[in-house]
Amino acid sequence: EPEVTQTPSHQVTQMGQEVILRCVPISNHLYFYWYRQILGQKVEFLVSFYNNEISEKSEIFDDQFSVERPDGSNFTLKIRSTKLEDSAMYFCASSEILGGGRETQYFGPGTRLLVL
Amino acid sequence: RKEVEQDPGPFNVPEGATVAFNCTYSNSASQSFFWYRQDCRKEPKLLMSVYSSGNEDGRFTAQLNRASQYISLLIRDSKLSDSATYLCVERGSSASKIIFGSGTRLSIRP
Repeated sequence: EPEVTQTPSHQVTQMGQEVILRCVPISNHLYFYWYRQILGQKVEFLVSFYNNEISEKSEIFDDQFSVERPDGSNFTLKIRSTKLEDSAMYFCASSEILGGGRETQYFGPGTRLLVL
Repeated sequence: RKEVEQDPGPFNVPEGATVAFNCTYSNSASQSFFWYRQDCRKEPKLLMSVYSSGNEDGRFTAQLNRASQYISLLIRDSKLSDSATYLCVERGSSASKIIFGSGTRLSIRP
C-alpha cells in the first residue's frame, strides 16, 4: 500500500540553526500539507501546497517557514532560524483531488524536531 | 467557541464493551468530517470518513448530526488494540486544510 514517507525520523538542532524536513508524498497525490504537533497538544495545520504554490497557510507559518517541491517527488519544510518553541513532531500529509470535500489526507510517520 | 471540541477522556472500558464518544463543531457549512486514530507518538491514521448522515465499517459506526452539529463514533466489541487517541477532524472552509480536535483517549482493559 502506498504511503507517505518522511526523513529524518528525529532531528536535534541548536536554536538559531536552519533545518529542512523532507517528505515523499504518495505518488499520484497532488495536494501536500505540513502539520505540527507539540507534545501533548493537538495536531495543528501549517500549510497546504498545490500546483507548485502555497494554497493556504496558518498564522503559525510565519516568515521563518518555507516549503518547496524541489523535484517530482520530494516536498520539504524549511525552518530558517529555529526557536525553542519549534520543538514538535512535524507531519507531512498528502491527498488526491476528489472534489466535494472528499479529499482524504494520509499522514507520514513524522519528524520529531528538538531545538536546544 | 473552539472549532472542534472533544471530551479528552480518558475512557477506560473492558474488552468487549461498546463505547461511544462525540465531537462538536462550530462551522455549520462544513461538509466533511473524519475520525482518525493516533497511537502514542505516531502519526494520525484515518479510521473513517463521514460525508452524509453516517458511515459504518465493521465494528465502527460514525454518525453525523447536522442539526446539532456533532459527530459521534461508536465502537462495538472493543479490542485491546482499540486503545488509542481518537481524533475528530473537520474539513475547514477551504479545500486545503483540515482541523483537528484535541482527541479522546480510549483505554481498553482486559
